[in-house]
Parts: sequence; structure tokens; C-alpha cells
Amino acid sequence: AQSVTQLDSQVPVFEEAPVELRCNYSSSVSVYLFWYVQYPNQGLQLLLKYLSGSTLVKGINGFEAEFNKSQTSFHLRKPSVHISDTAEYFCAVSEGYGGSQGNLIFGKGTKLSVKP
Amino acid sequence: DTAVSQTPKYLVTQMGNDKSIKCEQNLGHDTMYWYKQDSKKFLKIMFSYNNKELIINETVPNRFSPKSPDKAHLNLHINSLELGDSAVYFCASSQKSRGLNYGYTFGSGTRLTVV
Repeated sequence: AQSVTQLDSQVPVFEEAPVELRCNYSSSVSVYLFWYVQYPNQGLQLLLKYLSGSTLVKGINGFEAEFNKSQTSFHLRKPSVHISDTAEYFCAVSEGYGGSQGNLIFGKGTKLSVKP
Repeated sequence: DTAVSQTPKYLVTQMGNDKSIKCEQNLGHDTMYWYKQDSKKFLKIMFSYNNKELIINETVPNRFSPKSPDKAHLNLHINSLELGDSAVYFCASSQKSRGLNYGYTFGSGTRLTVV
């Protein structure tokens, strides 16, 4: 069965500093990978996704993530964060052929707090 | 136009009541979902539904039932509400192609408070 582990529940960082939010997954089949962001009192918004092709994926708001199949990781990065990036970030996986019904399974989230 | 819309945004009700949350999507997606987000922000799938099958998470109490009048709507009906049902409920939709899921579009959520 597939699962997603977000290694940090909270990440505090100062404004304009770089940040990395870590995500590892387990699956016996090929996967699609996603990062979603949830701002306070809002729904989830897609940041970026990896379906196939280049392992470096660029998303909205200056975020990018790299798919590493050997390490089963999909870490999210941003070179310089802003106060407005303060939010909860969710990593998710969907199994490809041979997997489950293709529903997304979410990690427990990482709260990014950007301080001035 | 909102892609996935949920109503109401807030719902406060007493224990034992029956309530419904409505969800509509205008994306032409073939699959809709309900997720529950608890106080620790953990997202748990409750149902997935397309015009062919309803898949229920076996841990969801049978007091919860999805109702889909058509492909664009998936409502959530809850009977005999309990304090533990307090949470944020999210509707989502996606387009599956041959069983592959390319990602969800979420609604803005319904915050349910049972008192």
C-alpha cells in the first residue's frame, strides 16, 4: 500500500531565506506526485505535480520540487521565501497502473512559518 | 466562475441533527470526492464517486452518505451528528484517465461544528 511521509510537521524560517519541505513516499508501482498549499481558512491549491518526464518540476509562486526515484522522495524547495508563503503544505501521491483506484493519498502536512 | 463550490461555508448544529453539505463542479470532471480534515490538519478520504462506482472508505460511519443527483454534484448527508464529526469537509474533483489521477481541484471547505 502506498503512503506519504512528511518528515517535518513545522518549519520556521526567516523571510528571504531558502526553504526545503521534505516528502518521502512508499509504493510498489509507478506514482504521480503532488504538492498542495493551504492558506489559513482556505481550501487546498495545487502548487505543482510530477507525472512523467523531467524530474525537476516548477510550480507556482516560485516553488519547485525534484522527483528522486531511488530515494523515493519529492522534496519541495524555494530559494527565497516571503511572509505570504506562510501556510500548510501537503505532499500527495497517486499510484499509477497496478495501484489502487488512483485516489490521492496525502501526507500529514508541514506548517511553514515565515518570520520577518 | 468557481470550479468547485461548496455550501455552506460554515455549519453549526446540535448533536443528533441531520445535515447536508452540497458540492458542485463545473470542470467536466468524471470523479468527485469528499475528504475530512481534522483539527490536526490531517486529510482523510471519505468517498470517491464517478458515474460508475462509489468507493467508500471502510472507516467512515454509515451515518455519512454521499448523494449524487448528476455528474456535476456530490452532496454529503450526515445523520445523527456527533461531537466527533466536527471538522472541515472538503469536496474535490478530478479527471481520471484509465484509472490514473492527474490531481484534484478542491472546494473551499465547509467548517462543521457540532455542539
